[in-house]
Amino acid sequence: AQTVTQSQPEMSVQEAETVTLSCTYDTSESDYYLFWYKQPPSRQMILVIRQEAYKQQNATENRFSVNFQKAAKSFSLKISDSQLGDAAMYFCARNNAGNMLTFGGGTRLMVKP
Amino acid sequence: DARVTQTPRHKVTEMGQEVTMRCQPILGHNTVFWYRQTMMQGLELLAYFRNRAPLDDSGMPKDRFSAEMPDATLATLKIQPSEPRDSAVYFCASALYNEQFFGPGTRLTVL
Repeated sequence: AQTVTQSQPEMSVQEAETVTLSCTYDTSESDYYLFWYKQPPSRQMILVIRQEAYKQQNATENRFSVNFQKAAKSFSLKISDSQLGDAAMYFCARNNAGNMLTFGGGTRLMVKP
Repeated sequence: DARVTQTPRHKVTEMGQEVTMRCQPILGHNTVFWYRQTMMQGLELLAYFRNRAPLDDSGMPKDRFSAEMPDATLATLKIQPSEPRDSAVYFCASALYNEQFFGPGTRLTVL
């Protein structure tokens, strides 16, 4: 089965510092999309950032950026200037043919004031 | 502000009862997904539809789960009979292109 792996069940960061969440994936396709979703205690799944595999440039959304290494099948999320509101579960996901998402197991991010 | 809506938000039922969850996708989105989230299995795809036609329901236990789209504004997920192991949060998501928009989820508890 094609999988998405998040090797860090929990991460902790000091407010205003930078943290990087890791994700690796498996795929046999050449064109696909990768996503990071945030799930706060409300359970709402919120799209943080997405990356198109055919684009070499790393995606950036304000304080959120990715390090996409296609050959290594790695897709890490960097959060700069961490804020208390960033505390949540973060899920990495990859789409399949048909646009179905396969999710990683999640990383719980704690932000210390 | 367009969003996916799901009802009910919470459901507590007894084993053996029928449960129906509803989803209203974003207007104009042609693809609808059902996901289930549990502590043990994480987020997993149950079924999805494109232009109201079921394309993949291989993630669903066929004997008790069924998913339908009676029209473009409504998707349903039904469990009959429900079992305690069905307790989970069920998410609906809709998409037009590659970005999926998730509903708030239905938290189902089967006693």
